[in-house]
Amino acid sequence: DTVLTQSPALAVSPGERVTISCRASESVSTLMHWYQQKPGQQPKLLIYKASNLASGVPARFSGSGSGTDFTLTIDPVEADDTATYYCQQSWNGPWTFGGGTKLELK
Amino acid sequence: EVQLVESGGGLVQPGRSLKLSCAASGFTFSNYYMAWVRQAPKKGLEWVATISTSGSRTYYPDSVKGRFTISRDNAKSSLYLQMNSLKSEDTATYYCARIGVDYFDYWGQGVMVTVSS
Repeated sequence: DTVLTQSPALAVSPGERVTISCRASESVSTLMHWYQQKPGQQPKLLIYKASNLASGVPARFSGSGSGTDFTLTIDPVEADDTATYYCQQSWNGPWTFGGGTKLELK
Repeated sequence: EVQLVESGGGLVQPGRSLKLSCAASGFTFSNYYMAWVRQAPKKGLEWVATISTSGSRTYYPDSVKGRFTISRDNAKSSLYLQMNSLKSEDTATYYCARIGVDYFDYWGQGVMVTVSS
């Protein structure tokens, strides 16, 4: 299975720029997607196919990468962005998720 | 507005069975692949099952293959997950999700399944 590795936690101040990384154990082309999950809620699609913004998602969110290295960028960060962010690949079967990066605001 | 509403969760003993349901609305259900994704308490997300538009093709990870069965009723806009031979490690919140080609574009609010004696 394709293993996706994310750093477990980050802490930033409102107004700053933050990048969340996701590294795949093998190439996933550009079939990497990002989700936001706030406490007690279901996940929400943010970015699909590495760099495409999902409907209704603020332009503060952006994604980049291909192959094995991907990033989700939030610029500027707002207080409401406190959440856990997951990457997910669909190039190799089975579809797998990263362990999540918990973003906290200082 | 796309809505996915899961039901059928609860407490079940190890080795027993449980069937989850997901009622879909706000889109043409029969046009989309659908899936179940679970999340163990305080843990990450795990894909559990996928079903094609007609229901003729199903996919599972090794962790549930042979124990779980995904199905759908397009006339009722409903998705199901039959879970047999349940284990403690199946304890999780189960989400119904719509597949937008290669990703999960809409998720339900989730239903909790606890496997314990």
